[in-house]
Amino acid sequence: NAGVTQTPKFQVLKTGQSMTLQCAQDMNHNSMYWYRQDPGMGLRLIYYSASEGTTDKGEVPNGYNVSRLNKREFSLRLESAAPSQTSVYFCAIRQGAGSNQPQHFGDGTRLSIL
Amino acid sequence: KNQVEQSPQSLIILEGKNCTLQCNYTVSPFSNLRWYKQDTGRGPVSLTIMTFSENTKSNGRYTATLDADTKQSSLHITASQLSDSASYICVVSARSYQLTFGKGTKLSVIP
Repeated sequence: NAGVTQTPKFQVLKTGQSMTLQCAQDMNHNSMYWYRQDPGMGLRLIYYSASEGTTDKGEVPNGYNVSRLNKREFSLRLESAAPSQTSVYFCAIRQGAGSNQPQHFGDGTRLSIL
Repeated sequence: KNQVEQSPQSLIILEGKNCTLQCNYTVSPFSNLRWYKQDTGRGPVSLTIMTFSENTKSNGRYTATLDADTKQSSLHITASQLSDSASYICVVSARSYQLTFGKGTKLSVIP
């Protein structure tokens, strides 16, 4: 989806390995989000950043860390991957944290942990 | 606990036919309700956003309705096309960052 770029698109890890999922936007939006999507479940918020320099926990933050490097980039780190973290991860952006504007999503990173 | 329930879970319709997807929610306080379309292997894309005071909102062949009293919403698709095959996700916002996502309805449009 235009405006939000996620890398990598696919990744396979072994249990205990670490990795960082990258998200970059070119829409100059303040708010950025990380979600996970699992079969049979709705998207769940992991972490979000209302503006550059701030981050907050969402619904399922355990096992993850985030960095809002600058206004464009918001990364998600798995320090010690577990099979339960196998999922599709989506980054999203929104113009303002309190606005009725829609979120724009990237196309996801498909992560498998063996 | 905030919840969003969608029905049906899946739906198959013939190309050219109409269909209606349902969304019931128990999210409080209510801020807005969104419908997203998610193609296979892609991220969700916003179709409509409705606030408390809006009953109906259209986006081309997609029309969403909202009844805030009964906490129900529907998404009506007119004259379906093969490209409408996707999952449709209902999302209700309670506060600025707090979104509750439904599990989605998977729609298949067949020729």
